[in-house]
Amino acid sequence: QSVLTQPPSVSAAPGQKVTISCSGSSSNIGHNYVSWYQQFPGAAPKLLIYDNDKRPSGIPDRFSGSKSGASATLAITGLQTGDEADYYCGTWDRSLRGGVFGGGTKVTVL
Amino acid sequence: EVQLVQSGAEVKKPGESLKISCKGSGYSFTNYWIGWVRQMPGKGLEWMGIIYPGDSDTRYSPSIQGQVTMSVETSINTAYMQWSSLKASDTAIYYCVRERISTGTNSLDVWGQGTTVTVSS
Repeated sequence: QSVLTQPPSVSAAPGQKVTISCSGSSSNIGHNYVSWYQQFPGAAPKLLIYDNDKRPSGIPDRFSGSKSGASATLAITGLQTGDEADYYCGTWDRSLRGGVFGGGTKVTVL
Repeated sequence: EVQLVQSGAEVKKPGESLKISCKGSGYSFTNYWIGWVRQMPGKGLEWMGIIYPGDSDTRYSPSIQGQVTMSVETSINTAYMQWSSLKASDTAIYYCVRERISTGTNSLDVWGQGTTVTVSS
């Protein structure tokens, strides 16, 4: 059971928008920044969003992050077949004194 | 180019010991935390712990504490994780990561390619 809660899967047609939620508590998301990671099958994860809404160099602006209270959201606009992957949220947990992840969300392009 | 390169896949028997490595390059190795992340077959990511190469300060996840030992050898910019007695449940892919930590934030901005560990009799 993951500390952060994500939907197992989301889907949409090419060109559409999907959002992935990440729900936590006051000991993690509520007081810390959130990161998002993208993982393709058979590959290592990659940092997609950090500090709630910042994109590392090279990440297209179709990917955006936001946070409100103890929840965060990743949005992907202009969905492409190449976006099919697993997406994970992550943050620091004050109570556990360590990092925590969501269970991951599989994005499917219909 | 900033990168982390991990040691190759391992196949071990229950009860055997193992040490895997992660070599950093392209940045100041002693100035960034190195973390380890586990991914069991078909499962999600699990944060295991971190070590600061500058002074070997180490923090373990409560669920991992006592099961592994993290260490570094700064002369060769390499981090290690070791087991003294493997179990079948240690079968997983292990990623080392460069972890950027400051007040209120931790982001894993560089990932190694992963080391697959298989434990089977």
